[in-house]
Amino acid sequence: NAGVTQTPKFQVLKTGQSMTLQCAQDMNHEYMSWYRQDPGMGLRLIHYSVGAGITDQGEVPNGYNVSRSTTEDFPLRLLSAAPSQTSVYFCASKIDRGVNEKLFFGSGTQLSVL
Amino acid sequence: SQQGEEDPQALSIQEGENATMNCSYKTSINNLQWYRQNSGRGLVHLILIRSNEREKHSGRLRVTLDTSKKSSSLLITASRAADTASYFCATSSPISGAGSYQLTFGKGTKLSVIP
Repeated sequence: NAGVTQTPKFQVLKTGQSMTLQCAQDMNHEYMSWYRQDPGMGLRLIHYSVGAGITDQGEVPNGYNVSRSTTEDFPLRLLSAAPSQTSVYFCASKIDRGVNEKLFFGSGTQLSVL
Repeated sequence: SQQGEEDPQALSIQEGENATMNCSYKTSINNLQWYRQNSGRGLVHLILIRSNEREKHSGRLRVTLDTSKKSSSLLITASRAADTASYFCATSSPISGAGSYQLTFGKGTKLSVIP
């Protein structure tokens, strides 16, 4: 049971480039989300999805796009990378949108934008 | 915006000692969760305490919640070198109009346990 899988683990981009961070889970979780972690800032929610075809914005959505065509996958797209998007990105999922559910995290993608 | 704030930011103790970390938050919550993050890894869920609970135990972990003070504490007893990690509190609150709940994380406490 792989849990939440993120690829790539490391990525370096130039300003203006676009890319997609991949996230897949094999636990049949309805809820999936993306966070970014910056030093001294904790984790901040970028986008989330409560099921296939349903996505919504979190705290810091600007510059990012998401889609959810299947239950398993929730890719995060950077449309035009900026240095401010240098961060560690985590995908996380939980069983459903319920209140008392814990998040399962992937191992993260470290992104540097030059 | 950050909901939970952990205190202290960093804590260094000797193996065998107890470690206490605190979390304060600003608005009403449905539950509060604690997560651990080892260096370079994703977060791992430790324990969840609901808003109507005051104390919860799991192995060497003890969590308290005081909703009147909007604060929680995580106690790790008889610490081990393997407990070295960052610890985050996360508060669960409803997302307006979405029928879902958002977990908002604090900035974390970095715990170092010296063998």
